[in-house]
Amino acid sequence: QQQVKQSPQSLIVQKGGIPIINCAYENTAFDYFPWYQQFPGKGPALLIAIRPDVSEKKEGRFTISFNKSAKQFSLHIMDSQPGDSATYFCAASNQGGKLIFGQGTELSVKP
Amino acid sequence: DVKVTQSSRYLVKRTGEKVFLECVQDMDHENMFWYRQDPGLGLRLIYFSYDVKMKEKGDIPEGYSVSREKKERFSLILESASTNQTSMYLCASSPYSAKTVGYTFGSGTRLTVV
Repeated sequence: QQQVKQSPQSLIVQKGGIPIINCAYENTAFDYFPWYQQFPGKGPALLIAIRPDVSEKKEGRFTISFNKSAKQFSLHIMDSQPGDSATYFCAASNQGGKLIFGQGTELSVKP
Repeated sequence: DVKVTQSSRYLVKRTGEKVFLECVQDMDHENMFWYRQDPGLGLRLIYFSYDVKMKEKGDIPEGYSVSREKKERFSLILESASTNQTSMYLCASSPYSAKTVGYTFGSGTRLTVV
């Protein structure tokens, strides 16, 4: 019930490609779904977040798509750049505010 | 501009030692968290605290304890370090309602137990 499952574990794309990272959850009480970005040697940083009352949210080149009925959400990175190479974590929480994280995706964008 | 500070970037400790990992935040946040990060397992919650002197177990508390004597400081204690506690440890903080600004993480402490 508390798990958030993330895939793929690693992803390699060419510059300009659109990497897609997927997450699935079980707990229907979750109502907040953030994505975090982590560069080597740094802690994760909040990238973008969505609530289940909308199906899509865009911030710059980053888009979250949310499918409430399927209990799935995904991160799309438009026109990916080598500087986007990082580890990405999805997460979910309910009213208690405690975040449950996915397993992480290591993204490499090749020049 | 660093908001969450973890006292050590790298630590090497011997099996059986008592280990203290320190975390300090300067944002007056109520909530503080300790996670460990392992490849393929993501971030797993060890302990968290919603207020001074309060603590709650996360998903993997075994072998760990915590202390929060002051609002800005949250310490993780490995009572008797074991090799399976070799990991990256991340501290985070958030305001009482985390949903507007999310968590702020420290840069992590990479602990090796030999």
